[in-house]
Amino acid sequence: DGGITQSPKYLFRKEGQNVTLSCEQNLNHDAMYWYRQDPGQGLRLIYYSQIVNDFQKGDIAEGYSVSREKKESFPLTVTSAQKNPTAFYLCASGRLGGYTFGSGTRLTVV
Amino acid sequence: GQQLNQSPQSMFIQEGEDVSMNCTSSSIFNTWLWYKQDPGEGPVLLIALYKAGELTSNGRLTAQFGITRKDSFLNISASIPSDVGIYFCAGREGGSNYKLTFGKGTLLTVNP
Repeated sequence: DGGITQSPKYLFRKEGQNVTLSCEQNLNHDAMYWYRQDPGQGLRLIYYSQIVNDFQKGDIAEGYSVSREKKESFPLTVTSAQKNPTAFYLCASGRLGGYTFGSGTRLTVV
Repeated sequence: GQQLNQSPQSMFIQEGEDVSMNCTSSSIFNTWLWYKQDPGEGPVLLIALYKAGELTSNGRLTAQFGITRKDSFLNISASIPSDVGIYFCAGREGGSNYKLTFGKGTLLTVNP
């Protein structure tokens, strides 16, 4: 079955460290997206990519970086420059009919 | 960035009641989508609407694409405890860009 996989489900990071969240899809979708969700908040767009080797900043890109070297993969790095990184991170891949979301990664900074 | 105006923000209802939520936008959309998010999981697509005036059902769920193309509503009939979650509307403006604009969500709580 096709789908989108995020790993790990839970991640703990020490303050000041970079951490990379994985997102892989086998849906053959061109577009992929990263969102951040805080308690009681909606979905805020961090970065998106519409094609391999190209990506654009979303609404809250500061302190994050991405790469899109393969169609199937769109990893997100949370850098030490992100002042408040504790959140639930969602990856999605898109087509005309809508997005398919992964099950999310909950990042906690300790 | 642009966001849709989704209301209500939260709802607390009794099992068996019907529920209605809606989204409005200042922009015209070519596609309206409704997602449900269970706690600790990613949103799952419930209903997709592609044509103004379209009314689509999925079990106890019914959604409509507004005639003006600037609004959509979702109804849930005879609610059950597993309907609990956050419901998001999303719209796409068209063209080759797949990017969606999301509402802030409606948190639904169902009291058994």
